[in-house]
Amino acid sequence: KQEVTQIPAALSVPEGENLVLNCSFTDSAIYNLQWFRQDPGKGLTSLLLIQSSQREQTSGRLNASLDKSSGRSTLYIAASQPGDSATYLCAVRTAYSGAGSYQLTFGKGTKLSVIP
Amino acid sequence: DADVTQTPRNRITKTGKRIMLECSQTKGHDRMYWYRQDPGLGLQLIYYSFDVKDINKGEISDGYSVSRQAQAKFSLSLESAIPNQTALYFCATSPRQGRTGELFFGEGSRLTVL
Repeated sequence: KQEVTQIPAALSVPEGENLVLNCSFTDSAIYNLQWFRQDPGKGLTSLLLIQSSQREQTSGRLNASLDKSSGRSTLYIAASQPGDSATYLCAVRTAYSGAGSYQLTFGKGTKLSVIP
Repeated sequence: DADVTQTPRNRITKTGKRIMLECSQTKGHDRMYWYRQDPGLGLQLIYYSFDVKDINKGEISDGYSVSRQAQAKFSLSLESAIPNQTALYFCATSPRQGRTGELFFGEGSRLTVL
C-alpha cells in the first residue's frame, strides 16, 4: 500500500526566503505526482503535476522535482511572500492495475507561514 | 464562477438524518470523485465515477452512496448520518485525456453531525 509522508508538518519562514517542501512515498511505481495548495476552509488548488517520465515542472516561482527511484519530490518556492501562506499537499497516483490505479494517495500536508 | 461547485457549503444535522451533498462541474470532465478530509489526516476517497454508468467504491465507502445524474453532476448521500461522518467533503474532477490525472477540486462542504 502506498504511503505518502510530508515533513515538516509546519514551517515558518521570513518573507523573501527561498524554501523547500518535501514529499516522500514508499512505492516508486507511480503514474504521476501532484502538488496542491489549500487555504483555510477552502478547496485544493492544483499547483503542479509531474508525470512519472518527468524530472521537474515549473510554474512561476514554483518548481517541483521528482526522483522516483528514491521516492521523493520537492516543491521549491522562490522569494516567498505572505500570500504563499497555506497548507501544501502532495498526492501520488500509483501505477497499480485495476481500480487501484485510479486512486491518489495524499500526504497530510505542510502548513507554511510566511512572516512579513 | 467556480468550475466545480458544491452545495451546501456548510450543513449541521442530527444523527440519523439523511443528507445529500451535491456537486456540479462546468469543466466538461468525464471523471468525478468524492473525498473526505479529517483534521490531521490525508484526504480519503469515498467514491469515484468515470462516466454516468461507471461508479466505483473508494477506500471508505461504507455509510455513503452516490448518484451520477449527468456528466456534470455527482451527488453524495449519507442515508443515516452519524457523528463520525463529521468532516470536510470535497468533490473533484479530472479529464480523461490531456494532462491525465490532474484533479480539480471544489470548495468543499463542511458537514457536522450532532
